[in-house]
Amino acid sequence: ETAVFQTPNYHVTQVGNEVSFNCKQTLGHDTMYWYKQDSKKLLKIMFSYNNKQLIVNETVPRRFSPQSSDKAHLNLRIKSVEPEDSAVYLCASSYPGTGGSEQYFGPGTRLTVL
Amino acid sequence: QQQVRQSPQSLTVWEGETAILNCSYEDSTFNYFPWYQQFPGEGPALLISIRSVSDKKEDGRFTIFFNKREKKLSLHITDSQPGDSATYFCAARGTQVVGQLTFGRGTRLQVYA
Repeated sequence: ETAVFQTPNYHVTQVGNEVSFNCKQTLGHDTMYWYKQDSKKLLKIMFSYNNKQLIVNETVPRRFSPQSSDKAHLNLRIKSVEPEDSAVYLCASSYPGTGGSEQYFGPGTRLTVL
Repeated sequence: QQQVRQSPQSLTVWEGETAILNCSYEDSTFNYFPWYQQFPGEGPALLISIRSVSDKKEDGRFTIFFNKREKKLSLHITDSQPGDSATYFCAARGTQVVGQLTFGRGTRLQVYA
């Protein structure tokens, strides 16, 4: 049963374009995350956000930015995509009180940059 | 610098056998270790987890063994089933940033009937 929703499932675009991916969770969680999963399946945290604090992984290029309208939504915007941005982008959320440890993931958005 | 390491990269077992997936870490502040299961085309799903105060956690056919001194843990899947075929990720959380997990590269498990 999916409680973290991501759209679109797939996106193909050209180098230099801007893309935006959506994420919504219906679990009542207070913290949301974006991860990047590369072709070798390595998962790397990009952002975590809980309404009060945005934590950015220092290795994330500035063309990436999270956008939140409320604690149930955390979108990901990529200003000018590069070929190395091709990956699966996974959104997750965590339950209050667990210190963010029990994270629930969405199905991911697969980005292909031509 | 890879903080969480997993081995083997891939593992094949027959139905009914026990699959053993290994994980080691470097950061001594890590105190919580979840294991995630990921099927193709899906996001990772939390399978089982252990805190560093325990040395064993069992949930059905899945058991984590934890050795704090050696900074190692392992996931044992007994009576493996073809439906267990997936990629398994070991992750770790420390005290440096609330909620942030560091993932290993995963072990791809294939269970043959």
